[in-house]
Amino acid sequence: GAGVSQSPSNKVTEKGKDVELRCDPISGHTALYWYRQSLGQGLEFLIYFQGNSAPDKSGLPSDRFSAERTGGSVSTLTIQRTQQEDSAVYLCASSRMGGVNTEAFFGQGTRLTVV
Amino acid sequence: GEDVEQSLFLSVREGDSSVINCTYTDSSSTYLYWYKQEPGAGLQLLTYIFSNMDMKQDQRLTVLLNKKDKHLSLRIADTQTGDSAIYFCAETENSGYALNFGKGTSLLVTP
Repeated sequence: GAGVSQSPSNKVTEKGKDVELRCDPISGHTALYWYRQSLGQGLEFLIYFQGNSAPDKSGLPSDRFSAERTGGSVSTLTIQRTQQEDSAVYLCASSRMGGVNTEAFFGQGTRLTVV
Repeated sequence: GEDVEQSLFLSVREGDSSVINCTYTDSSSTYLYWYKQEPGAGLQLLTYIFSNMDMKQDQRLTVLLNKKDKHLSLRIADTQTGDSAIYFCAETENSGYALNFGKGTSLLVTP
């Protein structure tokens, strides 16, 4: 596609339920990132995928969070047993390759509200 | 991670220059970035500067970097109402690929 696509754009879920957030990166981009944007907290790095390498999961806030990237393309971020503090905008980005000198393109995000 | 600090709000009149300031703490950052986020939209990379540069100019945008003081600024000349958005300063983390963002500066441009 023309840009990074995320779905759903909005998700309201009950506390304790599991949610899956999807990211379709730009075709041909080997690097994929997930960030979380919370009110008053700015943007936090969550996880990074680069090609077939093991992902950098160092930013995941708890073991309730997991992500996978199938076939080097689409990625799914899963949050199990959601809590109210998980409410945030989850942003996905992709870049042509990993590293600091390649531009990361961001999707519009998924706004997650846990009630 | 290390903190990137920005003022939260700036208001300017249309046609004036805007200056958004940022301080960072990781002296090893190779690149420093400015992103723009319009309401309901994702982040758009505006510009970036390599750490061995002092200044970078791109049309109405001027980035100044003071490595000694770890201070980064973004100047927008002839600010327009369409420039109203949140501007994020970011540095590369030690990983070399993850970005460490400030909390963003909301720029309001009034007619």
